[in-house]
Amino acid sequence: RKEVEQDPGPFNVPEGATVAFNCTYSNSASQSFFWYRQDCRKEPKLLMSVYSSGNEDGRFTAQLNRASQYISLLIRDSKLSDSATYLCVVNRGGGSNYKLTFGKGTLLTVNP
Amino acid sequence: NAGVMQNPRHLVRRRGQEARLRCSPMKGHSHVYWYRQLPEEGLKFMVYLQKENIIDESGMPKERFSAEFPKEGPSILRIQQVVRGDSAAYFCASSPGVGQAGNQPQHFGDGTRLSIL
Repeated sequence: RKEVEQDPGPFNVPEGATVAFNCTYSNSASQSFFWYRQDCRKEPKLLMSVYSSGNEDGRFTAQLNRASQYISLLIRDSKLSDSATYLCVVNRGGGSNYKLTFGKGTLLTVNP
Repeated sequence: NAGVMQNPRHLVRRRGQEARLRCSPMKGHSHVYWYRQLPEEGLKFMVYLQKENIIDESGMPKERFSAEFPKEGPSILRIQQVVRGDSAAYFCASSPGVGQAGNQPQHFGDGTRLSIL
């Protein structure tokens, strides 16, 4: 089983749609969880950290279920500028908690 | 812009040559990480450094690759005798030096795209 698995995508949605991404991780020792976005041929940019209680930042809502080792990202009222690859990122935990493990990403295209 | 600075943005080398990739962390950050992204793949951890110390190089290939973060100047990722399989995007990230490194989000530079002819 891969350390971090994401929906393979791609997702093509119209502007204004709500879209949800799912991610599972295999290492139960992981302690920190993030969503990054990566535009084509650019660097990953932190979108938001993910907390156990769930957290929201504007149109973006992230959820974490430690028991199921599952992370989600919900984007409401999607904009053209949301088009990017969304990366689920988990740290290794334990003595290597600085080591980030990246999913392969899910490509989102928002269409006018 | 006080973000993570990497150079060069693009680097072309012939097989057998050496590649040197540079990274200056964000101001105030003393933890540096290097990742490699192969085409159609996710980023893979290579090495974690602090000033003058390699903390974890478990993701580095055992031969030809080395990294340093000297007291003065940028972090350097060095690849000797490059081969075609080294073609990838190499990203550097940094995080603050306070608190547990794993709890701090890492901020990435623009990356260096290495192409081997």
